[in-house]
Amino acid sequence: AQKVTQAQTEISVVEKEDVTLDCVYETRDTTYYLFWYKQPPSGELVFLIRRNSFDEQNEISGRYSWNFQKSTSSFNFTITASQVVDSAVYFCALRLGFGNEKLTFGTGTRLTIIP
Amino acid sequence: GAVVSQHPSWVICKSGTSVKIECRSLDFQATTMFWYRQFPKQSLMLMATSNEGSKATYEQGVEKDKFLINHASLTLSTLTVTSAHPEDSSFYICSAGSGVYGYTFGSGTRLTVV
Repeated sequence: AQKVTQAQTEISVVEKEDVTLDCVYETRDTTYYLFWYKQPPSGELVFLIRRNSFDEQNEISGRYSWNFQKSTSSFNFTITASQVVDSAVYFCALRLGFGNEKLTFGTGTRLTIIP
Repeated sequence: GAVVSQHPSWVICKSGTSVKIECRSLDFQATTMFWYRQFPKQSLMLMATSNEGSKATYEQGVEKDKFLINHASLTLSTLTVTSAHPEDSSFYICSAGSGVYGYTFGSGTRLTVV
């Protein structure tokens, strides 16, 4: 069975600091997809990124960047120059490959950016 | 982009009554929708997978008779919490779409049973 671990329950940083959210996953499948979602206080889930298991290239999108390392089964998320609007709960999620669309979520990391 | 509309956003009901939550895909067809439950400060737990035109697939430990799911069309899935009790109070959220391209989530329904 697959599993996603987000060891950091809560993180607080001062605005403009960089912060990295860790995500470690477990699966025996060779084909899988990894996701990051943001959940602000309003509750809706905001899609941030999707990565498939065959693409280990790191990705940068503005202040956000993701580091995917299959060797350590990690898919970490870094926010540079954090802003108060980044305060939210962030979830890492895993979906296995063909024929199974279920998402397995990690427990989430609550990020608070202090002005 | 793909939009999933979920209603109501919040609902308060009396213990023993039933509550229906709707999840609609507005600009695409969804043969499969997912229903999640989230307790305060906890993760999203998949309750069931809703398949258009067939019975839903429930996760282990989820009571089928209590959480009735109907997916009668390619754009609508409903979750009915029957005979609700205070312990059913939670945040319910649906999602649709292909996981390969990214799931689209509804805005969630906060249910409070008094």
